[in-house]
Order: sequence, then structure tokens, then C-alpha cells
Amino acid sequence: DAKTTQPTSMDCAEGRAANLPCNHSTISGNEYVYWYRQIHSQGPQYIIHGLKNNETNEMASLIITEDRKSSTLILPHATLRDTAVYYCIVSTGNMLTFGGGTRLMVKP
Amino acid sequence: GAVVSQHPSWVICKSGTSVKIECRSLDFQATTMFWYRQFPKQSLMLMATSNEGSKATYEQGVEKDKFLINHASLTLSTLTVTSAHPEDSSFYICSATNSRNRDRGGYTFGSGTRLTVV
Repeated sequence: DAKTTQPTSMDCAEGRAANLPCNHSTISGNEYVYWYRQIHSQGPQYIIHGLKNNETNEMASLIITEDRKSSTLILPHATLRDTAVYYCIVSTGNMLTFGGGTRLMVKP
Repeated sequence: GAVVSQHPSWVICKSGTSVKIECRSLDFQATTMFWYRQFPKQSLMLMATSNEGSKATYEQGVEKDKFLINHASLTLSTLTVTSAHPEDSSFYICSATNSRNRDRGGYTFGSGTRLTVV
């Protein structure tokens, strides 16, 4: 599976949009982009995934560039409960390999 | 839907003893389950992949005789840490796949088990 690169940490003000970038320049045509998050001492929680079209659900939006080499996860109105480590994973769907992730701190 | 229950949530054991961790898919059948280990301030590292009714596939560097995985049914996989040592202390997390849940990513994670070996 292709490797991803994410910033180590980010801050966001409560109520503002949080935009988390991810680079995956070696992504293959059959690989999806998955986003999970992990709140301290819990198991990862699914957020969203996509192949090439932008996706939106009740939690977030996923914007994938046309060349699919990067993507951005958008939390439209971040709350304190969104403080977590966010993992961007590229996979064909056979398994998930976690990278370092981005530690998002939402501040009041 | 798609709930994975992991038990126990935490356990403390003495060096040299064995500990069993259970992972159950409550409302779906999981043909494949994954076991991860996570050390403090690090990411999740895949230990092994288990398919129902067959032997688990271990990642490089993971001792199969030390971390015994059993996936005897479509709803239960167990990880047994044998002859535990303090360096085995970690957060262990299971994940189950559900092909019928692909619109939700297809992977559901347990809440994790914090193992402390003293």
C-alpha cells in the first residue's frame, strides 16, 4: 500500500473548520483514501473514505485532488471532542496500515 | 451496526504468565480480523491477520509462538500473549472487516486492551 505523509500536529480554534492535509503521491489507481481518528486510549474510529470523488458525511468532508496525490479532511465546525490523532491511510481495502497521523488539538 | 467488542479493557499480569484477549463482532460476521499493538505516543502497528478457520499471518518481527491467535468462528478471535514480559506491556487493538459495511469503510475497531506486565 502507498505511504502517506501528514503534519505531526495542528491546532484549531473551537467552532472553526479544521483542514487536515495528507500527501499520498505514490497512490495506485485501485487504492482508496481512508481517514480514521483515535481519541486517547480508544480504538480508531472511522471518519470517511473515498476513491477519487470528493465525499461528505455527517462527520466530515474529504477533498481529493484530481491527480489523487493528496487529500484534505475537513471538519467543518471543530469541537473540543474532535481533539484526537487523525490517520490518513491509503489502501486497496485488504488491510489498513497506520502511519504517524496528525495530532489535532482543538482549543477553546 | 458493525460493533466490535474487545475484552478485557485492561489487564495487569505477572511476568511469565499468559493473558488472553478476546475480540468479538457483535452484529456481523467477520471473515478477517486484525490485531494491532500500540506503544505510548506511537502509531498502531499491525501484528497479524487472521482468517476464520485458518492460521494467522504474522507481520515480520512478530513471534507467532509468543502471540497466539485463534479465529475459530466468524464472530470471535483471541490473542494470547504467552509468557508475558514487561516489554509486552502495550495497548492491543483488534479490528474486524465486514464486506457488508463497505460504505462505512469496512473496518471496525475494538476499544483496545491495555496490558501491563509487572
